[in-house]
Amino acid sequence: NAGVTQTPKFRVLKTGQSMTLLCAQDMNHEYMYWYRQDPGMGLRLIHYSVGEGTTAKGEVPDGYNVSRLKKQNFLLGLESAAPSQTSVYFCASTRGGNYNEQFFGPGTRLTVL
Amino acid sequence: AQKVTQAQTEISVVEKEDVTLDCVYETRDTTYYLFWYKQPPSGELVFLIRRNSFDEQNEISGRYSWNFQKSTSSFNFTITASQVVDSAVYFCALSEARRSQGNLIFGKGTKLSVKP
Repeated sequence: NAGVTQTPKFRVLKTGQSMTLLCAQDMNHEYMYWYRQDPGMGLRLIHYSVGEGTTAKGEVPDGYNVSRLKKQNFLLGLESAAPSQTSVYFCASTRGGNYNEQFFGPGTRLTVL
Repeated sequence: AQKVTQAQTEISVVEKEDVTLDCVYETRDTTYYLFWYKQPPSGELVFLIRRNSFDEQNEISGRYSWNFQKSTSSFNFTITASQVVDSAVYFCALSEARRSQGNLIFGKGTKLSVKP
């Protein structure tokens, strides 16, 4: 089992460019999440999905879009990158509900110049 | 409003010292879940423990122990006889039962440095 994987691991973008971060999980989890981690801020929820074909906004959704066309994949898109989106992005998944621990991917370090 | 506070931004100890990481939470829910995660220098997040609001028993796992006190809304984490490998950022997190999406509300983390 690979658990939760993220592609790419690192990326540098110029302001205004677009990109998609891919998250994949092989645990048959229903719930998936995208968080961003900034220095001194902990992790903040960007978007989440409680099942295939569903997505919803989290705490800091502006500038991002997501899609969950397949249960195992959760994509995070930046349509027009801004320097404020420089961050480390983590994907997580869980069986569902509030009790189960979330499994995190290794993170994607994104720099927007 | 829900909130998790980790007042200690950074802690530095010498190997074999005991260290306690503080976590204070705020929630209006009567049913909630608390978590601790470890983020070593390699960057991944590692699950350490989960506790639900109805279970105030302290837990011990090897050199790690957790003290959950609802009266003070705290869920503190103690490492006994710390080791260099314990150096990491530790996050406390809260999940509220009323939020069906199950997302975690994280504290800002405490960076622990254990020096040999």
